[in-house]
Amino acid sequence: AQTVTQSQPEMSVQEAETVTLSCTYDTSESDYYLFWYKQPPSRQMILVIRQEAYKQQNATENRFSVNFQKAAKSFSLKISDSQLGDAAMYFCASATGANSKLTFGKGITLSVRP
Amino acid sequence: DVKVTQSSRYLVKRTGEKVFLECVQDMDHENMFWYRQDPGLGLRLIYFSYDVKMKEKGDIPEGYSVSREKKERFSLILESASTNQTSMYLCASSSKTSGIMDEQFFGPGTRLTVL
Repeated sequence: AQTVTQSQPEMSVQEAETVTLSCTYDTSESDYYLFWYKQPPSRQMILVIRQEAYKQQNATENRFSVNFQKAAKSFSLKISDSQLGDAAMYFCASATGANSKLTFGKGITLSVRP
Repeated sequence: DVKVTQSSRYLVKRTGEKVFLECVQDMDHENMFWYRQDPGLGLRLIYFSYDVKMKEKGDIPEGYSVSREKKERFSLILESASTNQTSMYLCASSSKTSGIMDEQFFGPGTRLTVL
């Protein structure tokens, strides 16, 4: 069984600053994937970034990057140059390679101060 | 532009009613999923389907059933709605690509209130 833990329910960041959202996970699988999803106030969930566990290099998508620490089972999301549109709920999720079934954390609400 | 649509954004039903939540995707995806989202609990998987007429239980299937008669449509059924099923319901779909985990595409959600 997989578990995903997001221990911080809320965070706030000043516009243009950098913020890091924490996530830890647990799995017995050797082949797995990790994701960060964003859910803006309009509620449509979208993928932010994805990391394959077998890749040592941290994934990057424009202003979004991850710090993947496999031994520590940690998968944090860094948002650089925060924008007002980054305000949303962010979910960390994991999945094994065997199927597409995602296990989600409880989410974190990020607010961006102008 | 890829699309996952859900039949209603808001729904109000009475205890004991049979409720149908419909989800349609236009991406020819094999996989479809139903989640419920509750504050402080994140998203929890109710049921999923890898193919037409195929279904598998997720983490919280009790009180729910599903139907997938066509590839593009996945229905969630509350056989006898109860107040503890008041929640946001999200549908998602993904492609079955071997070797790579494809992202799930989500619908806008249905906010169901059971009175």
